[in-house]
Amino acid sequence: DAGITQSPRHKVTETGTPVTLRCHQTENHRYMYWYRQDPGHGLRLIHYSYGVKDTDKGEVSDGYSVSRSKTEDFLLTLESATSSQTSVYFCAARDSNTGELFFGEGSRLTVL
Amino acid sequence: SQQGEEDPQALSIQEGENATMNCSYKTSINNLQWYRQNSGRGLVHLILIRSNEREKHSGRLRVTLDTSKKSSSLLITASRAADTASYFCATSMNRDDKIIFGKGTRLHILP
Repeated sequence: DAGITQSPRHKVTETGTPVTLRCHQTENHRYMYWYRQDPGHGLRLIHYSYGVKDTDKGEVSDGYSVSRSKTEDFLLTLESATSSQTSVYFCAARDSNTGELFFGEGSRLTVL
Repeated sequence: SQQGEEDPQALSIQEGENATMNCSYKTSINNLQWYRQNSGRGLVHLILIRSNEREKHSGRLRVTLDTSKKSSSLLITASRAADTASYFCATSMNRDDKIIFGKGTRLHILP
């Protein structure tokens, strides 16, 4: 699994509260990605990073921000959580040589 | 809208039969990948095929790519119960670091 760990794995929060999900990798991959997975939608790209302090928007970036201050960590922040952000969030890192994505086990977020 | 769309959305077959899933996409790609997801787990990479390749094999998996039709297929031969999972295609477009997934095909292998 290329050492991708996500934290927390489960979180319940209330509407309007800030939430930060953390993704940590141990393989020094340059590219990292955040996806959300919802029934009927598959995986949708939120934001991605192509290096330290280098990030870009994905398909569904509204309401989310990201930061990458170190190669190994990619943070996803919901500044003010809404019920529509209830989802399972997956982080992935890409092997630049093979193109393969390595995924974490997911973070299940419930916004009440 | 999403780049890739898998077809069918769900597929049930008897153990030992072959399973075929298709993926169609909208714009030119650099490569196309297939992933498997077991229930409640992260996705696992199966195979990558580049835009200049037409067919690729890995064990019981066979992937084809038709860039003129903007489509790919994943064939799993001699299916097993352990193949029960969701399968996703993911595309990487030219000069773009985004990797976009489709909605997936749920495969159920019947004993």
